[in-house]
Amino acid sequence: EAGVTQFPSHSVIEKGQTVTLRCDPISGHDNLYWYRRVMGKEIKFLLHFVKESKQDESGMPNNRFLAERTGGTYSTLKVQPAELEDSGVYFCASSLTGVEQYFGPGTRLTVT
Amino acid sequence: AQSVTQPDIHITVSEGASLELRCNYSYGATPYLFWYVQSPGQGLQLLLKYFSGDTLVQGIKGFEAEFKRSQSSFNLRKPSVHWSDAAEYFCAVCMDTGRRALTFGSGTRLQVQP
Repeated sequence: EAGVTQFPSHSVIEKGQTVTLRCDPISGHDNLYWYRRVMGKEIKFLLHFVKESKQDESGMPNNRFLAERTGGTYSTLKVQPAELEDSGVYFCASSLTGVEQYFGPGTRLTVT
Repeated sequence: AQSVTQPDIHITVSEGASLELRCNYSYGATPYLFWYVQSPGQGLQLLLKYFSGDTLVQGIKGFEAEFKRSQSSFNLRKPSVHWSDAAEYFCAVCMDTGRRALTFGSGTRLQVQP
């Protein structure tokens, strides 16, 4: 069974540009989560989808971040425009039950 | 608000030695508890979890953790560390009902000396 996959693995963009991160959950997992780890700090929750609906987006830092999950399969996280403080590792996780979460390898975003 | 504390940022042990990584949480009730490991270049891998029942839980790779309600702790242990255990370890909690967002500790980086 394939695990959670994320693309790209690494992205380097300039301040003010747009970046779109993609996450493909484990097949059949309705729950999909985004997390972020900035500058070696704690991993922080961003949002939670159940199928295509946003169940909890309390962790989204501001309106420059837009997450979508059309059709309830893969999800994208767009940052527009990117700022320096957005640099970090973005993790996606999926879950069948909503409790045990299985993480992808992460996307390392560097904003210069 | 709930919080998770991993007091040790960095630990070095010799190969074959025992290991204990500390985790304390602050919560209104008993949460669900997890340990994850991130090896270099890899994503987060679930080592073990505690929901209820037996307070000593076994995980993968020979790890175990003990939940102590009185101390609000969920420490991770391994009797004999292997060089391949060098990684960063994260303790995490979530609510047992409702919101499922994980709250993570800051992580403990484990270095294993030959």
